[in-house]
Amino acid sequence: QVQLQQWGAGLLKPSETLSLTCAVYGGSFSGYDWNWIRQSPGKGLEWIGEINHSGSSNYSPSLKSRATISVDTSKNQFSLKLSSVTAADTAVYYCARLNGGTRDFDHWGQGTLVTVSS
Amino acid sequence: QSVLTQPPSVSEAPRQRVTISCSGGTSNIGNHAVNWYQQLPGKAPKLLIYYNDLLPSGVSDRFSASKSGTSASLAISGLQSGDEADYYCVAWDDSLNDYVFGTGTKVTVL
Repeated sequence: QVQLQQWGAGLLKPSETLSLTCAVYGGSFSGYDWNWIRQSPGKGLEWIGEINHSGSSNYSPSLKSRATISVDTSKNQFSLKLSSVTAADTAVYYCARLNGGTRDFDHWGQGTLVTVSS
Repeated sequence: QSVLTQPPSVSEAPRQRVTISCSGGTSNIGNHAVNWYQQLPGKAPKLLIYYNDLLPSGVSDRFSASKSGTSASLAISGLQSGDEADYYCVAWDDSLNDYVFGTGTKVTVL
């Protein structure tokens, strides 16, 4: 049974850096790509980026300049940092596993609400 | 901003059938597989359909989907109160180099 459990700070001030971590329990860690997706009322669901076990990452062009995804294979964890946040970054952030063969997000974390407010 | 267009809401009585459309373009649906997700209130999205029309293990066969050209559709038959949720289509977009999500459709069981 694959489970993704995520955590991180839920309240940030403008210009701070968002930091979230996702731990993967069960299943193979090296055989999949690991993603971050966010959901805000104004923009709906939005893909942020992905990383594989080797550390190779890809990002949405809209967030590439501010997002960094890293991986710790010793702990089966991956993390997201998003710099210089503004109110527009307020959203529920999800980690998710991408099945590379069929390119679907087949397992998701529980979600973390991140609010950016002064 | 969502690139894939879905109707904001659909509603039908219990035991009836509803369909949800997802309209895109040649750079996304026209060239890549479509996946569908169900999001129950307050929960994370759940994979409902993958690779256009395949059901993951454990998903009821009351759900079905298809793709034609640059559009896709999801059907729910034998509608139940537990199907009340938001439904999203997703595909990779070659032009944007990004995953694009649908605008989402809220299903209400009358």
